[in-house]
Amino acid sequence: EFVLTQSPGTLSLSPGERATLSCRASQTVVSRYLAWYQQKPGQAPRLLIYAASTRASGIPDRFSGSGSGTDFTLTITRLEPEDVAVYYCQQYHSSLWTFGQGTKVEIK
Amino acid sequence: EVQLVESGGGLVQPGGSLRLSCAASGFTVSSNYMTWVRQAPGKGLEWVSIVYTSPTPYYADSVKGRFTISRDSSKNTLYLQMNSLRREDTAVYYCARLGVDSYAMDVWGQGATVTVSS
Repeated sequence: EFVLTQSPGTLSLSPGERATLSCRASQTVVSRYLAWYQQKPGQAPRLLIYAASTRASGIPDRFSGSGSGTDFTLTITRLEPEDVAVYYCQQYHSSLWTFGQGTKVEIK
Repeated sequence: EVQLVESGGGLVQPGGSLRLSCAASGFTVSSNYMTWVRQAPGKGLEWVSIVYTSPTPYYADSVKGRFTISRDSSKNTLYLQMNSLRREDTAVYYCARLGVDSYAMDVWGQGATVTVSS
């Protein structure tokens, strides 16, 4: 069973700071099948990053993804108030999709 | 505009049934991989089911044997038939389109709320 563990659970930063979110997998993930989503309160999730490091259409360049194997990172440079949300990583393997439990990003 | 709109949510008793619909516009449901994801109150995202361009669907273990995914090409609509509903099926259900190469969910509906309670 694939398990994705995200850390930290909550990240509280000031506007303009850098946010680093971690996603660790219990087994090796094919990078092509690793994605990140943003979910703002009361809204549906939105695709941010796919294939571990490719920004989805319309996503600002302050969002970036990196990593390989079992360790992946979502970085938000220059945090803005509109970035307050829960961020989820997700992987695909053998017709099953798994999400991490999410990291909540707050503004101080 | 590429869009997904869910409908059919509501309150149902344990053991009951409900069918969710997901109407697509701006693209063809039958030519794309389509999936359902749910989110229990205050919880994270849980993948539920997928249908590829071939008819073979796949399900999470938590819903296997109770839920059925299907689509109607003439209506450009995706469905989720939910039977033998349990209290733990209470959630917001989202339909989403999958990118063919990335298997990432690139278009999402607004969600339909299902509440299983007596």
